[in-house]
Amino acid sequence: GAGVSQSPSNKVTEKGKDVELRCDPISGHTALYWYRQSLGQGLEFLIYFQGNSAPDKSGLPSDRFSAERTGGSVSTLTIQRTQQEDSAVYLCASSSSGFQETQYFGPGTRLLVL
Amino acid sequence: AQRVTQPEKLLSVFKGAPVELKCNYSYSGSPELFWYVQYSRQRLQLLLRHISRESIKGFTADLNKGETSFHLKKPFAQEEDSAMYYCALRRSQGNLIFGKGTKLSVKP
Repeated sequence: GAGVSQSPSNKVTEKGKDVELRCDPISGHTALYWYRQSLGQGLEFLIYFQGNSAPDKSGLPSDRFSAERTGGSVSTLTIQRTQQEDSAVYLCASSSSGFQETQYFGPGTRLLVL
Repeated sequence: AQRVTQPEKLLSVFKGAPVELKCNYSYSGSPELFWYVQYSRQRLQLLLRHISRESIKGFTADLNKGETSFHLKKPFAQEEDSAMYYCALRRSQGNLIFGKGTKLSVKP
C-alpha cells in the first residue's frame, strides 16, 4: 500500500510569506506527527495529532506555526510570515494507533526561505 | 531533561571492519529506544527498536540502563550501510526525541 506522502516536495518562498505544507498519512493511521530536520539541529518534534485533536503542541517553535488535521486524515502545517531560520526539511510521520506503534515517515518537504 | 546524544557526526570505516555508532540518552522514565536510518535520497525508516531484541541487516543494539546507552553495532560493515543513523527515544506522549545523527561512511 501507499506510504506517507507529503506535498510539495520542495518549496521556495520569500521571507514574510505564508506557506502550507501537506501530509497524507497511511490510510487508517490515527496518529500523525510533524518533525523538522534542520542543518545542525537534527530532527525536532513539532506537533502530534491523535485523530483530529492535537494533545501535544509543545514543539511548535513560535505562534507563527500552526497545524490542523481534518477528517482524521490529511494534515496541514502552516507557517505564517516565514523567516530564513524556518528553512528546513519538514517531515510527517504516522502510526496506526499512537504511542506504541512504529512511526512511518514521509519523504519530507524541503522549505527554503529567501 | 530528555535528551539523546550521538557524539560522532561522522564515522568512517573500511568495508569488513566492525562499526559501533554511539548513543547515550537522558530520560527519567522507562525508556523506549530506536535506531532510524536514512539512506541517500530515501526517507527515514526504522532500523530496530530495543524491545524487539532483533538483528536487522546485521545490526544489533543493546540497551544498557546503567550506562544509559543504546549503541548500534555491526561486526562487518558493508558499503550499502553508508547512511545517516539517528538514535531516538520515545516519550510517554508518543513523539520521538532524536539525536543529531551520525553519518556512516563505509569505504571499499
